[in-house]
Amino acid sequence: GAVVSQHPSWVICKSGTSVKIECRSLDFQATTMFWYRQFPKQSLMLMATSNEGSKATYEQGVEKDKFLINHASLTLSTLTVTSAHPEDSSFYICSAQRAGGNSPLHFGNGTRLTVT
Amino acid sequence: GENVEQHPSTLSVQEGDSAVIKCTYSDSASNYFPWYKQELGKGPQLIIDIRSNVGEKKDQRIAVTLNKTAKHFSLHITETQPEDSAVYFCAASQAGTALIFGKGTTLSVSS
Repeated sequence: GAVVSQHPSWVICKSGTSVKIECRSLDFQATTMFWYRQFPKQSLMLMATSNEGSKATYEQGVEKDKFLINHASLTLSTLTVTSAHPEDSSFYICSAQRAGGNSPLHFGNGTRLTVT
Repeated sequence: GENVEQHPSTLSVQEGDSAVIKCTYSDSASNYFPWYKQELGKGPQLIIDIRSNVGEKKDQRIAVTLNKTAKHFSLHITETQPEDSAVYFCAASQAGTALIFGKGTTLSVSS
């Protein structure tokens, strides 16, 4: 149980375009999902906390207008990288927590974004 | 906010040896401490976790210990195997909040 599916697994896009990444909890409802970013050989850095039905909470230094997060249902959160630039190239990973707040976080397999 | 320090950054062991990775945290309110294994190109996979009301937890070859007073916790892997080679991350949080990760430990197990 506790499967988190992330799509796409990799994407290449041109500078200036937008990319949408989907995160789904397949077998449980997730009131809260978290989006992380990971540069090569580095740790996971929290970008934002996504709560179903409300606005996401962004970490300091993360541009909310650039990284649009939508959590429209209890099983789906999306991250849209708008007007992507090469410096946005990174590994984006979502995680979801079963409703209740005391359950482990389960991670998707990540999305490798390359902006050319 | 929470800050998690992890050591060592790299660890090389021979197959069959034990491996120990240590983490410290700063926020005494943190009460949940998971460990994740990440293989190349994949998302982190939860391998074991411990809550602040427990001092030790074991699952086959993997164990985690927690010292709340000193604010540190450790991962112990016994009888290491080549397939244990990966990057391991510790993390800390309060219930329902985001995990704050350590910088990771690259474990290499040679046969």
